[in-house]
Parts: sequence; C-alpha cells; structure tokens
Amino acid sequence: GIQVEQSPPDLILQEGANSTLRCNFSDSVNNLQWFHQNPWGQLINLFYIPSGTKQNGRLSATTVATERYSLLYISSSQTTDSGVYFCAVEQSRRDDKIIFGKGTRLHILP
Amino acid sequence: DAGVTQSPTHLIKTRGQQVTLRCSPISGHKSVSWYQQVLGQGPQFIFQYYEKEERGRGNFPDRFSARQFPNYSSELNVNALLLGDSALYLCASRLWGGGGRLDTQYFGPGTRLTVL
Repeated sequence: GIQVEQSPPDLILQEGANSTLRCNFSDSVNNLQWFHQNPWGQLINLFYIPSGTKQNGRLSATTVATERYSLLYISSSQTTDSGVYFCAVEQSRRDDKIIFGKGTRLHILP
Repeated sequence: DAGVTQSPTHLIKTRGQQVTLRCSPISGHKSVSWYQQVLGQGPQFIFQYYEKEERGRGNFPDRFSARQFPNYSSELNVNALLLGDSALYLCASRLWGGGGRLDTQYFGPGTRLTVL
C-alpha cells in the first residue's frame, strides 16, 4: 500500500521562528490534507491541498503531486502552534479511507 | 453549526468486556468513518459507512464492528477487549462518501478508551 512519510519526526523551536514540515508519499493520491492535533487529541483541518499552494494567515502549504510531496510552512511560530502535525492522503476511488503519516511533533518554546 | 460529536469522551474497561462508542456527524453529512489512534502513531482507518452501508474496512479483527443509523449517526462496537485496544477512537464525517471526493473530512474530538 501507499507509504506516507513525514519529516522531521520532532522539532523544537523558539517562539518567532519559521519551520518547514515535509510529507512524501509513494503513489498518486486523490486528496491530501494537513491536520494539527492539539494536546487534547482534536484533529484540526489546516489545509485540503491535493495540488498547488494555499495560505491561511501564518500557515501555508504546497503540494507537488507529480513529485509526490507536500510542504507545510509555519511562520512566526507561537506557543499555540505546538502539537502534532499530520499529513494524510486519500487514494481509493471506492471509500473514504485516509492514510496518515506518523506526524511531526512540534514544540514551540516561549 | 455543531461539529462532529462523540460520546463518551473517556471510558475505562477491563479485558474481555465489550464497548460501544457513538458518533454524530455534522448535520447534512452522510458518510462516517472510524479511526483508531494508539499513542505516538497516526490514526488508522477502521470502517467507513455511507447511507447505512459499509463502504470500506481497514485491517482490524472481527471483534470490531460498526453500523450507521437512518439519521447518519454511527456506533462502533468492540468485543472481547484486549489491552492493545487502548487508544483514542476518532470519528470523521463527510458530506458524501465513496472515494475520490474533492472535499474535506472533519474529525470529532475522540473517545479515549483505556483497557485494564
């Protein structure tokens, strides 16, 4: 099956720093999403981005489907950005199965 | 509008018991999926239901079962609980189901199950 690899696995940054999170996937996909999981476990939709570039405030994302990778950029990090960031892809034409990477755990220091 | 809701929020069971988890999708959403997330891992797909029919099943044993009701809410049942079933169980809803959809799935807050 498709493999979704995220890097780096862990990232510790000072407040105000910028960061880039990467997601590589091993096969073509229908959809790609980025999620932020907060300390209470809630998965928050950040971007639905099967291709192209999107921006939302301090966050932006780019997916290059032909090269099978996606990047999530976080600028001017805040402590509230801490948590786990997941890349997740959909491949099936029959069901809604989402395949998640293992996540990048981001810790922003005050 | 309310998001995806799940109940209960926390649950403690002992090995061998049975558990039922509940999910209510976003109003108007007809597709519900269930995921298991063990500590330190990404969520793993268990089931998807659309219009009360099972559309997809992940690699989980037959102890796991689910169903969807006419109001599109769903229940996940796990029988003969094992210690390894301890996890966060997440429910997601989508407007339409069936794969290849160009829209977003939305997740509920999860039910944290502890098996002792």
